[in-house]
Amino acid sequence: DTEVTQTPKHLVMGMTNKKSLKCEQHMGHRAMYWYKQKAKKPPELMFVYSYEKLSINESVPSRFSPECPNSSLLNLHLHALQPEDSALYLCASSQEQPLTDTQYFGPGTRLTVL
Amino acid sequence: AQKITQTQPGMFVQEKEAVTLDCTYDTSDQSYGLFWYKQPSSGEMIFLIYQGSYDEQNATEGRYSLNFQKARKSANLVISASQLGDSAMYFCAMRVRGPAILTGGGNKLTFGTGTQLKVEL
Repeated sequence: DTEVTQTPKHLVMGMTNKKSLKCEQHMGHRAMYWYKQKAKKPPELMFVYSYEKLSINESVPSRFSPECPNSSLLNLHLHALQPEDSALYLCASSQEQPLTDTQYFGPGTRLTVL
Repeated sequence: AQKITQTQPGMFVQEKEAVTLDCTYDTSDQSYGLFWYKQPSSGEMIFLIYQGSYDEQNATEGRYSLNFQKARKSANLVISASQLGDSAMYFCAMRVRGPAILTGGGNKLTFGTGTQLKVEL
């Protein structure tokens, strides 16, 4: 059973809306990740937080804004999205151990941009 | 650069039979980790099994085993006694030890394109 939770499970928004995706983990992990996944494709890394600091930004457009309020929480703020941003957004966490570090994923948020 | 190749876009297997999902990788690094994830239609990515590059024995987790052939750079997933619930997309992934490991900053996974497995009665 996953210990990474994501809310909401589904989200429909217009291009002018502002919304947020939330992720929470209860495993004491120190790294957290956001991925974007299109249908029948592998996940694409967007952001990585390590010890609550942004460590990797994979050249994501500024309409996506991550936030890590504490070591257990990760948010993704959405603003002025485009229809092509419709996808499954996955959150993951890991312990930050060399090599054996395993990422555990949440159930995802299915986002539709109209 | 690292690369993961999964050459089987789709696979069918009869219930209770064993199935092998292929994965080859390419890296010049000596230290790396290999992972398999299962993604049902619900969307959640479920971690199945891990193999380290220095592990001498093949990893096993219940009905899952990883056939690790380092010289051939392959890490195939074997599912024994397939069940209907095994129908899902399966992704092979690799993480390489790099500079970020020294300074912290999370770990990047390179994913393959996935194999869609369907288990039939």
